Amino acid sequence: EDQVTQSPEALRLQEGESSSLNCSYTVSGLRGLFWYRQDPGKGPEFLFTLYSAGEEKEKERLKATLTKKESFLHITAPKPEDSATYLCAVGAYSGAGSYQLTFGKGTKLSVIP
Amino acid sequence: NAGVTQTPKFQVLKTGQSMTLQCAQDMNHEYMSWYRQDPGMGLRLIHYSVGAGITDQGEVPNGYNVSRSTTEDFPLRLLSAAPSQTSVYFCASSYSPQGAGEQYFGPGTRLTVT
Repeated sequence: EDQVTQSPEALRLQEGESSSLNCSYTVSGLRGLFWYRQDPGKGPEFLFTLYSAGEEKEKERLKATLTKKESFLHITAPKPEDSATYLCAVGAYSGAGSYQLTFGKGTKLSVIP
Repeated sequence: NAGVTQTPKFQVLKTGQSMTLQCAQDMNHEYMSWYRQDPGMGLRLIHYSVGAGITDQGEVPNGYNVSRSTTEDFPLRLLSAAPSQTSVYFCASSYSPQGAGEQYFGPGTRLTVT
């Protein structure tokens, strides 16, 4: 069974204090690791896709990296507007041949001015 | 483009009632899916569709039906609502026919079953 574990569950940072969120996974035949951002009361918003170990993607203050067992979302000099829940998901083909995403429970990030 | 739209935003049902959650997308995406999100749990896949006329079950399909008569619409039907179906429901679509890749989510429907 595919599993995705995110840590920490919650993280409070001072504005400008850099940190990283972790997503560890066990999956048979990874076909993509995805990061989403979710604001309260809204649907998840896509951030990054990573396919291969060693791959990195960047967007503004966020950088996502991937190894064979985990992914990190690095946040550099965060601002209050970066406060949100960050979701990690892994994509894989099931035994029946269908592609499905398995989501972690998320990390709730709060950036304090 | 409106993206993925969902109606209603909020709904309260009594146990045993039925209803349909609506989902539509205007991006000509082949792949559409329904998830539920509960506190302390990740998003869980209910049903998905890889194109008009084709649907399949996800991780938690019991108590829900879907159909896909057009590319744009993917309604989710609750047959006989139960308190365990109290949740936030999200519809999503993807440009990839298999559902791989970036998924676009709707704003969600918050359902309470009493």
